[in-house]
Amino acid sequence: SQQGEEDPQALSIQEGENATMNCSYKTSINNLQWYRQNSGRGLVHLILIRSNEREKHSGRLRVTLDTSKKSSSLLITASRAADTASYFCATSGNQFYFGTGTSLTVIP
Amino acid sequence: GAVVSQHPSWVICKSGTSVKIECRSLDFQATTMFWYRQFPKQSLMLMATSNEGSKATYEQGVEKDKFLINHASLTLSTLTVTSAHPEDSSFYICSARDMRGQETQYFGPGTRLLVL
Repeated sequence: SQQGEEDPQALSIQEGENATMNCSYKTSINNLQWYRQNSGRGLVHLILIRSNEREKHSGRLRVTLDTSKKSSSLLITASRAADTASYFCATSGNQFYFGTGTSLTVIP
Repeated sequence: GAVVSQHPSWVICKSGTSVKIECRSLDFQATTMFWYRQFPKQSLMLMATSNEGSKATYEQGVEKDKFLINHASLTLSTLTVTSAHPEDSSFYICSARDMRGQETQYFGPGTRLLVL
């Protein structure tokens, strides 16, 4: 399977804390993208990082990419209760494969 | 922004019937669309890549005769679950890639299928 793996599978934090999720993948990629999914809903694109980039920021989101280790991390700073969702990384080469996801719960 | 719609959003059917799910890109043209299925509390599994005007490419383990995909135009792809069985009950999500070569995929809201 070319599906990536994410850890932790579940993360519970207090509002205001930072949340870090990691993603590892197996094949070479063109880019890596992070998505969020609220329960039973579609996916929302968060951020894309290209294979020649190492770090990218978007608002409270910070993404890193280490192609030598085939891994990426998503940091959400100053978390809010509304950030509660599942977060997936997806790698794009010829196809588009999703990681196993991290379920984040932010406690008000 | 780019919008992808799916229809229906919910479908309940009897075992043995066929169900068609539509995926439309509303404000852009997509030569490539993707179909995924997602079981509860699990990730999305790519089922097939749908290419406009040609046959779909199926992932290993996905029965092409069971899941018929038609990408008849640059804005529409359909997935037909033939002779559906309870084990086909799942959340089906499509995505579309803008033909202008943008890297981001845009996802539909998903279709929840329940086969009784």
